[in-house]
Amino acid sequence: NAGVTQTPKFQVLKTGQSMTLQCAQDMNHNSMYWYRQDPGMGLRLIYYSASEGTTDKGEVPNGYNVSRLNKREFSLRLESAAPSQTSVYFCASRDREDNSPLHFGNGTRLTVT
Amino acid sequence: SQQGEEDPQALSIQEGENATMNCSYKTSINNLQWYRQNSGRGLVHLILIRSNEREKHSGRLRVTLDTSKKSSSLLITASRAADTASYFCAGGVNSGGYQKVTFGTGTKLQVIP
Repeated sequence: NAGVTQTPKFQVLKTGQSMTLQCAQDMNHNSMYWYRQDPGMGLRLIYYSASEGTTDKGEVPNGYNVSRLNKREFSLRLESAAPSQTSVYFCASRDREDNSPLHFGNGTRLTVT
Repeated sequence: SQQGEEDPQALSIQEGENATMNCSYKTSINNLQWYRQNSGRGLVHLILIRSNEREKHSGRLRVTLDTSKKSSSLLITASRAADTASYFCAGGVNSGGYQKVTFGTGTKLQVIP
């Protein structure tokens, strides 16, 4: 099983450019998440989707939009990238909302110049 | 805001020694999870302990939870070079059909062969 797959692995953007980070899971999980990881700050939740067709803001949603395209796919879009969005982005999924672990992809390293 | 704070921030031990990492959290939780992250990779779930449990084992891992002190510890016994990684605690809090999982800032463990 591939688990959670993220594309691309690396990306460099100029300020103001837009891009979409893709995430797909093959575990038939209901919930999907986008986190960002910055040095010394752990992981912070950007958006999540508890089920197909629903999305909600997390801790740091400003500057981002998401789409739960179907049960497998959850994309994160930066409409106008800013240097403060330079980070490593992780997608995660889990089976249900109570006491089940998160399964992570290997991340997308994004640099905004 | 971070739910968990790990202590120490960094730990260096010899292969074969035990490694203990501590986590303190701020609010009441439904579970406490531990994850490992190898350099350049996503997080991998290690163990989940529910709020009504005090201790849990998985192979060389032992996790304790003290809800009165809002703290948890992860013990890795007989460490190996392959255990070199960052370790994160994460608190799960149920809220309106969704379980919010908030991560700490991590402990970087180095196991010297």
